[in-house]
Amino acid sequence: KNQVEQSPQSLIILEGKNCTLQCNYTVSPFSNLRWYKQDTGRGPVSLTIMTFSENTKSNGRYTATLDADTKQSSLHITASQLSDSASYICVVSRGGFKTIFGAGTRLFVKA
Amino acid sequence: DAGITQSPRHKVTETGTPVTLRCHQTENHRYMYWYRQDPGHGLRLIHYSYGVKDTDKGEVSDGYSVSRSKTEDFLLTLESATSSQTSVYFCAISEAGVNPSYNEQFFGPGTRLTVL
Repeated sequence: KNQVEQSPQSLIILEGKNCTLQCNYTVSPFSNLRWYKQDTGRGPVSLTIMTFSENTKSNGRYTATLDADTKQSSLHITASQLSDSASYICVVSRGGFKTIFGAGTRLFVKA
Repeated sequence: DAGITQSPRHKVTETGTPVTLRCHQTENHRYMYWYRQDPGHGLRLIHYSYGVKDTDKGEVSDGYSVSRSKTEDFLLTLESATSSQTSVYFCAISEAGVNPSYNEQFFGPGTRLTVL
């Protein structure tokens, strides 16, 4: 079954600290993997996209990694800010219009 | 929200009534999508459109229909709303390409629908 599992479900960190969010998938065939950020009450916004041959992609303080062999991805947030409080969604595409969304990790950054 | 509007933003309706949600874009993107988002679930694709009058089903299309008569508008209709269709509905758009999955989807602000 094609699935995308994210962990943890929720996370609380102090402002300025780093954190890592996990995404495991059992999707086949694999085309690409995206991480989205979704602020409360808003639609998701893309942070990074990685294909099979890419294992790291950065976007400012966000760094995504991909291990296609173990079917795992992570999103590392450096020096967190209050504005990082949001849900982070891992999305794996099988190609074309076939995409599987994870349920997301809810991140709370506290002052 | 990348030139995408959804209307209404909030709606409360009763079981058995028809409901139409509208997505309007000003980006002239070819592909448009309707998703629903429920607690504990990822976004799930209801229907998508790959051109004017060209639509196809997603993974949770039962009970929903769509229409696209012009590039900028994509309508989602619940013919007879049920309580299980209470959800937040998102419209998304993306540019055309050889492999649509490589093109970023831009999402609208969402519509919160409650079916009593």
